[in-house]
Amino acid sequence: SQELEQSPQSLIVQEGKNLTINCTSSKTLYGLYWYKQKYGEGLIFLMMLQKGGEEKSHEKITAKLDEKKQQSSLHITASQPSHAGIYLCGADLDTGNQFYFGTGTSLTVIP
Amino acid sequence: ETGVTQTPRHLVMGMTNKKSLKCEQHLGHNAMYWYKQSAKKPLELMFVYSLEERVENNSVPSRFSPECPNSSHLFLHLHTLQPEDSALYLCASSQVGSSYEQYFGPGTRLTVT
Repeated sequence: SQELEQSPQSLIVQEGKNLTINCTSSKTLYGLYWYKQKYGEGLIFLMMLQKGGEEKSHEKITAKLDEKKQQSSLHITASQPSHAGIYLCGADLDTGNQFYFGTGTSLTVIP
Repeated sequence: ETGVTQTPRHLVMGMTNKKSLKCEQHLGHNAMYWYKQSAKKPLELMFVYSLEERVENNSVPSRFSPECPNSSHLFLHLHTLQPEDSALYLCASSQVGSSYEQYFGPGTRLTVT
């Protein structure tokens, strides 16, 4: 099993629809980060959440952290084709140097 | 050039070849990373260099050999690879202590024939 599980694994939505991606940890979270990757390219850092209940927004993307549930959600409002790509969560799961990435969610937005 | 660059962007090699992937960062960072991304699998951390010293080696086969001559450059030397090594290889950099804020290169798409 993976330390960070994302759901769904893939998502196809019509342009203009809202969507949510979840990231669940099997261990205590010491910070949760969201990244976006366009197919065949590197990752782009989106935002960082460090405190339970914290919520951040970047343009039409909002992320929340629920420390008790060891979970974070990424919500996209009024999706656009430019939102398409692979979304990855990442986290520090212990006090060492290891940084973990989630299993990834592939998002397709149909015009 | 700005950010993190990787060359080549695409590479096709036979199982008996020797090749190297190059990564260069122009961000003044002092930690660099190699990741492997295979289709339908999570991102896999391969190596971490912090202040030019290797600090992480996640059970990577010896046919992959990293080199970090200075804080701006990172290489991944490849030899006698297997077809299952075909993947996107991503390089990233960060400041030591801020591994969450990694900046990624565009990747090298490697195909082993």
